[in-house]
Amino acid sequence: SQELEQSPQSLIVQEGKNLTINCTSSKTLYGLYWYKQKYGEGLIFLMMLQKGGEEKSHEKITAKLDEKKQQSSLHITASQPSHAGIYLCGAFSGGSYIPTFGRGTSLIVHP
Amino acid sequence: ETGVTQSPTHLIKTRGQQVTLRCSSQSGHNTVSWYQQALGQGPQFIFQYYREEENGRGNFPPRFSGLQFPNYSSELNVNALELDDSALYLCASSSGLAGGRLNNEQFFGPGTRLTVL
Repeated sequence: SQELEQSPQSLIVQEGKNLTINCTSSKTLYGLYWYKQKYGEGLIFLMMLQKGGEEKSHEKITAKLDEKKQQSSLHITASQPSHAGIYLCGAFSGGSYIPTFGRGTSLIVHP
Repeated sequence: ETGVTQSPTHLIKTRGQQVTLRCSSQSGHNTVSWYQQALGQGPQFIFQYYREEENGRGNFPPRFSGLQFPNYSSELNVNALELDDSALYLCASSSGLAGGRLNNEQFFGPGTRLTVL
């Protein structure tokens, strides 16, 4: 079964700093989702990447998919306290209807 | 447009009891998936329902069962509750199957926090 490993597990940054979260898959990635979760709440969809080399941006968040490395990265520019939460990556291994999620990266942004 | 809603928000049960959790899918969505999220973990897929039929199941025992109704709302039933069933249960809906070739985007509800004592 596919496994997704996220790094780092947790991150504490000063407001205004840039940061990157990585998600590495044990199997070929055919598509990957990024979600944000506030503690104890539901997941908020950020973006979906479907093709190798694809890069998407939403406000100050950019995500890229590197098929060869079986990895995706999420980059936040000029972080703000509103970016705080848990970032989760999720994927379906090829043709499967069973998704896998990473354990999440906890982000704290100090004002 | 109404988003995904779940009820109840919190629930406390004792070991051995049965529980039913409910989910109303987003307007226009015919697919519902259920997830279990333990503290500090990512969501674990339980099963997915598409047009009232189960389509895909994760590694959960048969005491976890589900149902999808003609209006595409769904229930998750858990029998013989165990302490390890304590978790946040998430429901997600999509306009078509999530996964496979289509990879339809899933929208999540706020979750139901289940505590088993």
